[in-house]
Amino acid sequence: AQKITQTQPGMFVQEKEAVTLDCTYDTSDPSYGLFWYKQPSSGEMIFLIYQGSYDQQNATEGRYSLNFQKARKSANLVISASQLGDSAMYFCAMGKVGGGNKLTFGTGTQLKVEL
Amino acid sequence: DVKVTQSSRYLVKRTGEKVFLECVQDMDHENMFWYRQDPGLGLRLIYFSYDVKMKEKGDIPEGYSVSREKKERFSLILESASTNQTSMYLCASRGISTGELFFGEGSRLTVL
Repeated sequence: AQKITQTQPGMFVQEKEAVTLDCTYDTSDPSYGLFWYKQPSSGEMIFLIYQGSYDQQNATEGRYSLNFQKARKSANLVISASQLGDSAMYFCAMGKVGGGNKLTFGTGTQLKVEL
Repeated sequence: DVKVTQSSRYLVKRTGEKVFLECVQDMDHENMFWYRQDPGLGLRLIYFSYDVKMKEKGDIPEGYSVSREKKERFSLILESASTNQTSMYLCASRGISTGELFFGEGSRLTVL
């Protein structure tokens, strides 16, 4: 069985600072993917970044990077230069590689960016 | 623009009513999913489908059923709604070769 743990229910960060959102996972599958989604107050789920378990380098997408530590089973999201628009709920998810497989989600972290 | 459309953003139903939540995707994706989102619990998978007329139970299928008669459409059915099914319901789709899920805007259901 797959499990995702997000231990930070809420986080605050000052505008322009960097912030790290924690995510640990557990799986027995040798091949899997890790995902981060953003959910603003409007409710839509926005895909941010993906890391494959065999990828040698950490994924980056603009201001988002994924700090992947396979031995520690962690996949933390780093947001650099936070903006007010980054205030949202953030979900970490994982799934076996292949479109027919489900994604398992964590409980989320509510991020608030302050002036 | 790729799109997953859920038929209703907000619904209010009475206990015991039959409820249909419809989801349509225009990306020709093979796989479709229904999740339920509750505060503090994240997203939990109810059912998913990897092909027309095929379905698999997720983590919390009790009290729900699904229907997939056409590739683009995946319906979630609450046979007899109960107050503990008050929640946000999210539909998503995924192609065979794509990684991420594409989500609809969500349907917020209140059962009185």
